[in-house]
Amino acid sequence: GAGVSQSPSNKVTEKGKDVELRCDPISGHTALYWYRQSLGQGLEFLIYFQGNSAPDKSGLPSDRFSAERTGGSVSTLTIQRTQQEDSAVYLCASGAGRSNEQFFGPGTRLTVL
Amino acid sequence: AQSVTQLDSHVSVSEGTPVLLRCNYSSSYSPSLFWYVQHPNKGLQLLLKYTSAATLVKGINGFEAEFKKSETSFHLTKPSAHMSDAAEYFCVVSDRKTGGSYIPTFGRGTSLIVHP
Repeated sequence: GAGVSQSPSNKVTEKGKDVELRCDPISGHTALYWYRQSLGQGLEFLIYFQGNSAPDKSGLPSDRFSAERTGGSVSTLTIQRTQQEDSAVYLCASGAGRSNEQFFGPGTRLTVL
Repeated sequence: AQSVTQLDSHVSVSEGTPVLLRCNYSSSYSPSLFWYVQHPNKGLQLLLKYTSAATLVKGINGFEAEFKKSETSFHLTKPSAHMSDAAEYFCVVSDRKTGGSYIPTFGRGTSLIVHP
C-alpha cells in the first residue's frame, strides 16, 4: 500500500515569503507528526495530531509556524515570513496512535535564500 | 519527562566486525523504545521497537537491541557489519505525556561508518 507522501520534495523560497508543506499520511492512521531536521542534527518535534483531539503544538518554535489537519487526514504545515534559519528538511510521520511505530515520509527540503 | 542520549556521534567499524551503537534513556513511565535508520537522502525506517514485551528485541537486517531497565539502556547491536549498514541511526523514547499525548524524543543520531 501507499506510504506517507510529502510535497513538494524541494522548496526554495526567498526570505519573508510564506510556504506551505503538505503531508498525506497512511490511510487510517490517526496520529500525525511534523518534525524538523537541520543539517547534522537529530529530529526536532514540531506538532502532533491525534484523531479529533486538540493538537499538541508544544514544539512549534515561533508563532510563524502553524499546522492544520483537515478531515483527520491530510496535513499542511505553514511557515509565515520565512527566515534563513528555517532552512531544513521537514519530515512528516503517521502512526496508528499512542506509542506505536511511526511511518515517515521522504521529507520536504526547504531552502530559504 | 523523557530524554535520550546517544553516547557516540560517530562509530567506525570494519566490514564483518560487530556493531555496537549505545543509547541511554530516561522516562517517568514505562517507555516504548525504538531504533530508526536513515540512509543518505532517504526517509527514516524503523529497525526495531521495544514495547514492554521481550527485553531482547530482534529487528530487520540482523540488528537487535536489549532493553536493560536497571541500566536505562537500549543499545543496538549487530554481529557482523555490512557496507550497506553505513547510515545514521536514531534512538527514540516515547512515553505518555501529561494530557495523554505520546511525543517521541529522538536522540541526536549516531553515524555508522563501515570500512571495507
